[in-house]
Amino acid sequence: DTAVSQTPKYLVTQMGNDKSIKCEQNLGHDTMYWYKQDSKKFLKIMFSYNNKELIINETVPNRFSPKSPDKAHLNLHINSLELGDSAVYFCASSQDTPTDTQYFGPGTRLTVL
Amino acid sequence: QKEVEQDPGPLSVPEGAIVSLNCTYSNSAFQYFMWYRQYSRKGPELLMYTYSSGNKEDGRFTAQVDKSSKYISLFIRDSQPSDSATYLCAMSAWQAGTALIFGKGTTLSVSS
Repeated sequence: DTAVSQTPKYLVTQMGNDKSIKCEQNLGHDTMYWYKQDSKKFLKIMFSYNNKELIINETVPNRFSPKSPDKAHLNLHINSLELGDSAVYFCASSQDTPTDTQYFGPGTRLTVL
Repeated sequence: QKEVEQDPGPLSVPEGAIVSLNCTYSNSAFQYFMWYRQYSRKGPELLMYTYSSGNKEDGRFTAQVDKSSKYISLFIRDSQPSDSATYLCAMSAWQAGTALIFGKGTTLSVSS
């Protein structure tokens, strides 16, 4: 049974489109994260939610909007996609704080054409 | 200066070699230090976790933290082809609302 799952695994879309990535964790964790990993493997935090409350919001364009319907789910919606949004997006979860072990999903590879 | 610096490699070694991976950092408030391992096309997974200074050993892996030099290391003894992956250091000061900061990752290839 997968601990942290993401859908879709691959996403290819045109510039200007709007897309969503879904994430679910079945570990009973309170905190979930979205990371962006660029082509050079640099992993950077975008957002973090604790019990559905936004606690970390890094400098990310307004086109990115996270939504946490419950503490097991954290979705990422991206408006008006740009070429520079092409990357691998990872969802992760941890028991409580960012220094607790973070469990990562398999990633969503987004390609914007 | 970036908060966390890590040489991206790539690093190629023969099977059985001792591997040393390193990160330097600038924020003296960092107290939590981790190494994550990421296989190709997979998500990162926690490999080693150290709080404050000192050494920690787990099997073939040893993590060292030198807070006075703002320098952390991961040693892999008797490296195996299965160790071929990208290794990311990560660290945090853990204050409310702060995130885990990752290095850029070092790609390691162990040949048999």
